[in-house]
Amino acid sequence: TQLLEQSPQFLSIQEGENLTVYCNSSSVFSSLQWYRQEPGEGPVLLVTVVTGGEVKKLKRLTFQFGDARKDSSLHITAAQPGDTGLYLCAGGKKNNQGGKLIFGQGTELSVKP
Amino acid sequence: NAGVMQNPRHLVRRRGQEARLRCSPMKGHSHVYWYRQLPEEGLKFMVYLQKENIIDESGMPKERFSAEFPKEGPSILRIQQVVRGDSAAYFCASSLLTGTPDTQYFGPGTRLTVL
Repeated sequence: TQLLEQSPQFLSIQEGENLTVYCNSSSVFSSLQWYRQEPGEGPVLLVTVVTGGEVKKLKRLTFQFGDARKDSSLHITAAQPGDTGLYLCAGGKKNNQGGKLIFGQGTELSVKP
Repeated sequence: NAGVMQNPRHLVRRRGQEARLRCSPMKGHSHVYWYRQLPEEGLKFMVYLQKENIIDESGMPKERFSAEFPKEGPSILRIQQVVRGDSAAYFCASSLLTGTPDTQYFGPGTRLTVL
């Protein structure tokens, strides 16, 4: 069974602090996608990384794909209350016909003003 | 450019009834995925369809659940004789599948409550 272990599950921090969310697996993925989900809504794509060692930045968010394409991290600098939400990582194994995503359990982030 | 559409957003059924969930993929997308999110659990893959074809149904329960994606119209996830354990949020995602990466875009979900 392919698993993505996401940590921490819950994170409560003060505005202005930095944080990192980790996503680890024993499996190799062809791509790793990060989503953010608000209560009552569907996951919204933040970024897709595909190359081992790849780093992508989205304003205060930095995403990294591990060299072996088995793990990924999301780092948020100077967190704001608007960053509050559920962050999900999802690994994909592409073949010629596409494929399902394997999701981590999610990280529930709460940023207090 | 409309995103993935799902309806209804909320569906209430009594035990034993049928539930039909609809998904219209993003314009130009011909690949549809269904996922289920149970309370306090992560998203779990159910089924992957292309037009008129089921590609991967490894996540579908063996009984009562079926899915289709006809040549015309939305994809349908059908649950027959619903039970309380079917209560969950059901999400549809679509992708374009031209090269790498095959990014999936999600709809807002259908929240099914079985009384």
